[in-house]
Amino acid sequence: AQSVTQLGSHVSVSEGALVLLRCNYSSSVPPYLFWYVQYPNQGLQLLLKYTTGATLVKGINGFEAEFKKSETSFHLTKPSAHMSDAAEYFCAVSDIQGAQKLVFGQGTRLTINP
Amino acid sequence: DGGITQSPKYLFRKEGQNVTLSCEQNLNHDAMYWYRQDPGQGLRLIYYSQIVNDFQKGDIAEGYSVSREKKESFPLTVTSAQKNPTAFYLCATSAGGGRTDTQYFGPGTRLTVL
Repeated sequence: AQSVTQLGSHVSVSEGALVLLRCNYSSSVPPYLFWYVQYPNQGLQLLLKYTTGATLVKGINGFEAEFKKSETSFHLTKPSAHMSDAAEYFCAVSDIQGAQKLVFGQGTRLTINP
Repeated sequence: DGGITQSPKYLFRKEGQNVTLSCEQNLNHDAMYWYRQDPGQGLRLIYYSQIVNDFQKGDIAEGYSVSREKKESFPLTVTSAQKNPTAFYLCATSAGGGRTDTQYFGPGTRLTVL
């Protein structure tokens, strides 16, 4: 079965510092991977996704993620944190069965210190 | 204005009562999904539907029921059999059922059992 592990339920960085949110996955087939962001009491918004092709994926709001098959990882980064980046971030892998079922990690709450 | 509408935003229910959460979309998407979100647990799939008049159980379907009589609508009923229904419920849609399709999320309904 597919699974996702997000290392660190809470990450805190200073404004302007590098943001690194970790995601490791387990998949019995070539994975399709997603990062979503959730602001308080709102739905999820897609940041970026990896399906095939280039392993470095660029998304919205300056975020990017690199698919590393050998490490089964899909870490999310942003060179310089902004106060508006404070939110919860979810990594997900597409399940192998039929419809596009997503398996989500537990989420990482990102706090930005001024 | 295209999008996904969930109503109500907040819902209170007494124990033993059934309650129905609404999800409507005008994106002309074929697939619709219901997720439950609990703090620190990510999102878990309750039910999903790829076409009208057809739906499948997700990972935590017990105590829930759905219908898909129209393409635009996918209501979720939380029955009295659901032992711990207090949670944040998110509806999502995707254009098709493919593994690479992006899921788009509604704003959510927060259900509290009194």
